[in-house]
Amino acid sequence: GESVGLHLPTLSVQEGDNSIINCAYSNSASDYFIWYKQESGKGPQFIIDIRSNMDKRQGQRVTVLLNKTVKHLSLQIAATQPGDSAVYFCAENISGKAAGNKLTFGGGTRVLVKP
Amino acid sequence: GAVVSQHPSRVICKSGTSVKIECRSLDFQATTMFWYRQFPKQSLMLMATSNEGSKATYEQGVEKDKFLINHASLTLSTLTVTSAHPEDSSFYICSAPGQGWDTQYFGPGTRLTVL
Repeated sequence: GESVGLHLPTLSVQEGDNSIINCAYSNSASDYFIWYKQESGKGPQFIIDIRSNMDKRQGQRVTVLLNKTVKHLSLQIAATQPGDSAVYFCAENISGKAAGNKLTFGGGTRVLVKP
Repeated sequence: GAVVSQHPSRVICKSGTSVKIECRSLDFQATTMFWYRQFPKQSLMLMATSNEGSKATYEQGVEKDKFLINHASLTLSTLTVTSAHPEDSSFYICSAPGQGWDTQYFGPGTRLTVL
C-alpha cells in the first residue's frame, strides 16, 4: 500500500553545474546496473548501464561509477540542464534469461535544476 | 530503439468495477513482459512477470485473483484489475526485455484512479 508522508530525496542543482546522484544496491549477486530517468507522468527512460566487470562507464554528459566493494552506484550528470529535471532511479539485475531479468529499483532521487 | 506502448494512458473508474490495461511491444516480440506499480513519490515495485502462453508469476504479496494477467500473443500482455478499490489507484507500468535479456524497455504508464 501507499506510505503516507514518504518523500523522495531531492537534489537541487544550478543550471550548468554537475550533478551526482547516489544509490546503494542490495544484492551482491547483481551483475548489471541501470540508471533510469522518469519525468512526471511517464515511464522510466534508459540513461546508461554498467556491468559488474567495469567500474566506470561514460555516455553523453553522463557517467556511471560502480563500487562493488561497498555496493554503491553513482550517476554523474555534467553541465546539468533544465531538461534534466526528473526523478532518477537506479536498478539492479542479475543478467541473463535464466535469472528472469527481474529489475530491482532503488528508491529514487528527484533532481531539480534551477535556472 | 524498441518501443512499448500502453493503453489507456489514464482511466477513472468507480469502485467495484474492473479495468483492463494493455501493454504492447510495437516493433519486437516479447515472450516475457513485466508489470510494475508505482505509488506517488515512490519507486517502481514489480507485481508480476507475464509469460506468453503460460501463467504469470506473481511477486510475494500480489493477489493473482485481483490482478489478472493474460499474455495471449508475442506482442500483447494485459493486466486486469478486478473489483477495483480506491487503494488500487496507482501508476501501472509495463516493460519488456530487449534482445540481450538485460535491458528493459518501459511503456509510458497508465494512471488508474478508482473513485
